[in-house]
Parts: sequence; structure tokens; C-alpha cells
Amino acid sequence: SYVLTQPPSMSVAPGEAARITCGGNNIGSKSVHWHQQRPGQAPVMIIYYDSDRPSGIPERFSGSNSGNTATLTISRVEAEDEADYFCQVWDSDNDQVVFGGGTKLTVL
Amino acid sequence: EVQLVESGGGLVQPGGSLRLSCAASGFTFSDFALSWVRQTPGKGLEWVSAVGGSGGTYYIDSVKGRFTVSRDNSKNTLFLQMNNLRAEDTAIYFCAKDLEFAPRGPDSWGQGTLVTVSS
Repeated sequence: SYVLTQPPSMSVAPGEAARITCGGNNIGSKSVHWHQQRPGQAPVMIIYYDSDRPSGIPERFSGSNSGNTATLTISRVEAEDEADYFCQVWDSDNDQVVFGGGTKLTVL
Repeated sequence: EVQLVESGGGLVQPGGSLRLSCAASGFTFSDFALSWVRQTPGKGLEWVSAVGGSGGTYYIDSVKGRFTVSRDNSKNTLFLQMNNLRAEDTAIYFCAKDLEFAPRGPDSWGQGTLVTVSS
């Protein structure tokens, strides 16, 4: 089955940029979606189809996807961005939704 | 506004059964696929099953033959029948609305219902 690899954790100071990667074999040929999950809450989709942003999601969130890596970028991190972030694709070879293991973002 | 409300979780013994339900509102229910995603506390997200707008069903390998997903478009409700439950099925189960008519991944999530499999 298709595997998505994320760094387990990362830390960033407020106002700095955070770049969370999601690795997968030729992931650039797939559509990648990103979900944010704050502690004790349900996930929320923050990026869909690689780089589109749902209404209500701040502009500081952006996405890109090419080759074997998709990237979620938070341009100026705020304290409220402390959360777990999961990338996700549709694995058409196995007809399954696949999630990455998640990245815990800590705001220093 | 999309709303998804799960129910039916609880404590069940190994080998037992549970039926989860998800009441949906705020969108044209029949136009979208729907998914169940689970999460063990403190762990990551694991997609479990989906049903497309056409009724086609999809499962993760570990639940094939034990879980059955279905939908009632007349009642805007999604179901997950879980049989022969195992300890490793213990998790919070989220109902999710998909991006498209065919499964592609969630764009809206419910708050989840806890399933505990233990003797």
C-alpha cells in the first residue's frame, strides 16, 4: 500500500515560517490534502488539492506538491497554530484513503 | 454549515458488535462520498472505510469481512456495522464528508464517538 512519511515533530518560534513535509513515491502525481488537529479537537481540513485553501483558513497557510515531496508552509506561525498536521492522499491503486503519520508542531 | 454527529459508540467485549451512526446536515447528502476515520488516543489518523455517492464501498484491509459501511440518503445518515470486534479496534471513530462524489478524502469532520473493546 502507499506510504506517506512525515517528520514526527518540529518546533518553531512565533513569527517564523514552518515547513512540514510529506514524502511519498511520486506524490507529485497525486492530489494532497492537509488536516490540522488541535489538542482535544476533531481534525479540520486546511489545504486541499495541493494548494487550495478552504474559506476561513488564514492566508498564512499554503501548500505545494512536486516530485516525491508535498509541503505545507505556515508563513508566520502563531501560538494558535500549535497542533498536529496530517497529509492525506487517495491511493487509487488500492482504493484507499491514506494519511501520513502526522507532525506535531510546537510553537516555542 | 456542514454538521456531522456520530453516535453508537461504547464499551463492547472482544468478539462483540456495535453499529455507529452519523447524522449529516448542511449539504446535499447524496452528492458526496462519506468516510469513517479512527484515531487511537495520542496516535495518528487511520482511514477505515468509505461509501461513494453511487453506493460503492471501500475498506482498509484489517476490517474487511468484519465491518460494513452503508448510507441512507433518505435520512441523511451514514452507518458503520462493526462485527467480531478486537482490542485493536479501540479508537475514536470520526465520520467525515468527502471532497467529491467518489472517495478522495475528508473535507469536513464530526466530533467522533469512542469505541472501547475490552473484557
